[in-house]
Amino acid sequence: GEDVEQSLFLSVREGDSSVINCTYTDSSSTYLYWYKQEPGAGLQLLTYIFSNMDMKQDQRLTVLLNKKDKHLSLRIADTQTGDSAIYFCAERNYGNNRLAFGKGNQVVVIP
Amino acid sequence: DAMVIQNPRYQVTQFGKPVTLSCSQTLNHNVMYWYQQKSSQAPKLLFHYYDKDFNNEADTPDNFQSRRPNTSFCFLDIRSPGLGDAAMYLCATSNGGAGNQPQHFGDGTRLSIL
Repeated sequence: GEDVEQSLFLSVREGDSSVINCTYTDSSSTYLYWYKQEPGAGLQLLTYIFSNMDMKQDQRLTVLLNKKDKHLSLRIADTQTGDSAIYFCAERNYGNNRLAFGKGNQVVVIP
Repeated sequence: DAMVIQNPRYQVTQFGKPVTLSCSQTLNHNVMYWYQQKSSQAPKLLFHYYDKDFNNEADTPDNFQSRRPNTSFCFLDIRSPGLGDAAMYLCATSNGGAGNQPQHFGDGTRLSIL
């Protein structure tokens, strides 16, 4: 079955980089996503990576995938106060409409 | 802009009084999802529609029902809300089928039970 683990809390100073980690258990996961949730809002899709990729960069966001260790990370460069939110990783198998979410990681950016 | 719209943003109902939450989309996606999210937790899938086909999750209580009258709209009905049903309810949509089909979420409806 699918099981996705995330660490819970990260505090970072404005301008520094922040790294959020996620591990998953389903080796057949094909698509891995990062979502951002600000207080009182829905989930905003930030970025995604296919399982045949090792890295994807999208402006300030860098996603690293270690498929052997089933480890996914999201690095946010030059973290801003607007990056304060909860970040969820999620995995999906090919042909499956369901997402398996991690528990989320709250990022607090200190000015 | 194309989007997923949930109404209302905040809903208050009484214990045991039926309530309906609504979701509409302009993305023309064929899959629509309803999630329940409690404080400091990940969203929990209740059910989803693939076109007109309803897919219930095994652990979704019978108290929760859904309707999808057309592609654009989907409703969540809670027949007899209990205090434990107070939560954020999120609607999402995606294109079904193979390939990368990310889910797009609305801003949610926060449900309070008096």
